[in-house]
Amino acid sequence: DAGVIQSPRHEVTEMGQEVTLRCKPISGHNSLFWYRQTMMRGLELLIYFNNNVPIDDSGMPEDRFSAKMPNASFSTLKIQPSEPRDSAVYFCASSLLAALDTQYFGPGTRLTVL
Amino acid sequence: KNEVEQSPQNLTAQEGEFITINCSYSVGISALHWLQQHPGGGIVSLFMLSSGKKKHGRLIATINIQEKHSSLHITASHPRDSAVYICAVAPIQGAQKLVFGQGTRLTINP
Repeated sequence: DAGVIQSPRHEVTEMGQEVTLRCKPISGHNSLFWYRQTMMRGLELLIYFNNNVPIDDSGMPEDRFSAKMPNASFSTLKIQPSEPRDSAVYFCASSLLAALDTQYFGPGTRLTVL
Repeated sequence: KNEVEQSPQNLTAQEGEFITINCSYSVGISALHWLQQHPGGGIVSLFMLSSGKKKHGRLIATINIQEKHSSLHITASHPRDSAVYICAVAPIQGAQKLVFGQGTRLTINP
């Protein structure tokens, strides 16, 4: 398996623009996680899905952030409108059994909002 | 106070030294994870454990559930071990999501 795939790897955009980050989990994994990493706050869980259903989105900062998982092999994280404080590295991870199993991380998307 | 505290925050050592990174947590947990993040950003899961000890090559992870404490040890450290090591716990009360420590930045000099 190719592991968790994320795209794009780097994104530079201007404040106010819509940003869409994409993730393909490892085939057969039931759980998918979106994390954000910043120098100030470290790694934070934004949202996680189990069997394509959002289970906990309490980490989503505000209504500008939304996430979908239309099928078992694809998820998106959208920010609209983007703000400079959204600049961070966004990781997607997948596992067989949520936090009770090894999580496999994608390479991350480095987002810069100017 | 963070639910997961790591110490030290930064650690510099010479090649060959025995390294210990500590993780303390304040909640009941189902599992604890140790992650490694090299410069350049990729995150790799090293261990997941809920009791006792696990070993993989030069890395050893231990956990004491009663004391709410885990340690990650590296024997015969090497410059390629230089990375950020992150402890994360899966709280029993928490919808099976991880809570992360702030990480320990390890630098091994040749």
